Amino acid sequence: EVQLVQSGAEVKKPGESLKISCKGSGYSFTSYWIGWVRQMPGKGLEWMGIIYPGDSDTRYSPSFQGQVTISADKSISTAYLQWSSLKASDTAMYYCARHIVVVTAIRSNNWFDPWGQGTLVTVSS
Amino acid sequence: SSELTQDPAVSVALGQTVRITCQGDSLRSYYASWYQQKPGQAPVLVIYGKNNRPSGIPDRFSGSSSGNTASLTITGAQAEDEADYYCNSRDSSGHGVFGGGTKLTVL
Repeated sequence: EVQLVQSGAEVKKPGESLKISCKGSGYSFTSYWIGWVRQMPGKGLEWMGIIYPGDSDTRYSPSFQGQVTISADKSISTAYLQWSSLKASDTAMYYCARHIVVVTAIRSNNWFDPWGQGTLVTVSS
Repeated sequence: SSELTQDPAVSVALGQTVRITCQGDSLRSYYASWYQQKPGQAPVLVIYGKNNRPSGIPDRFSGSSSGNTASLTITGAQAEDEADYYCNSRDSSGHGVFGGGTKLTVL
């Protein structure tokens, strides 16, 4: 069974650093992109960025470029999302998901499946 | 703001058919994928590609695309289909993007 298991909930103060994780199992971790998605309280899904663990190629949404760092350790099949200085506005649920890309001559296709269970990050003084 | 536009809310009578749409210029070049999210749960993929359902997704869910609009259709909506639905594709710059989401109410 393909599965992504995320690290547990975090409560942090503004200015602190944080690194959350997403461990893949049941498939070749280095052969698929992993994406991170933010969901602020009561709001919709936001595409943050993706990483290809095979070579660490990373793509960020312009909205998140410079705000977070996405990385991966292929030796332990784990992807990470980290902040160097948290803000209250980083309070949200963060999901990782396997990102599959299929390029055809007609239309390209990409989707997220499966998803991790989510990591709730709360930033409050 | 999202470059994929969805209606914020849609309702359907139990057993009837409902279509949820997603509009964006990038959909002329990319297929949309669709996700169902129930309160307190992670999103679940329900449709990807031209019209593909992952294992375990009921066949009452289907997808289609025309021009700049992708659609998710639920034929014979059930009470358990009440959820938020999000489309996902690429924006005009090739970056990933989600639609704003549609809250589906089953009456």
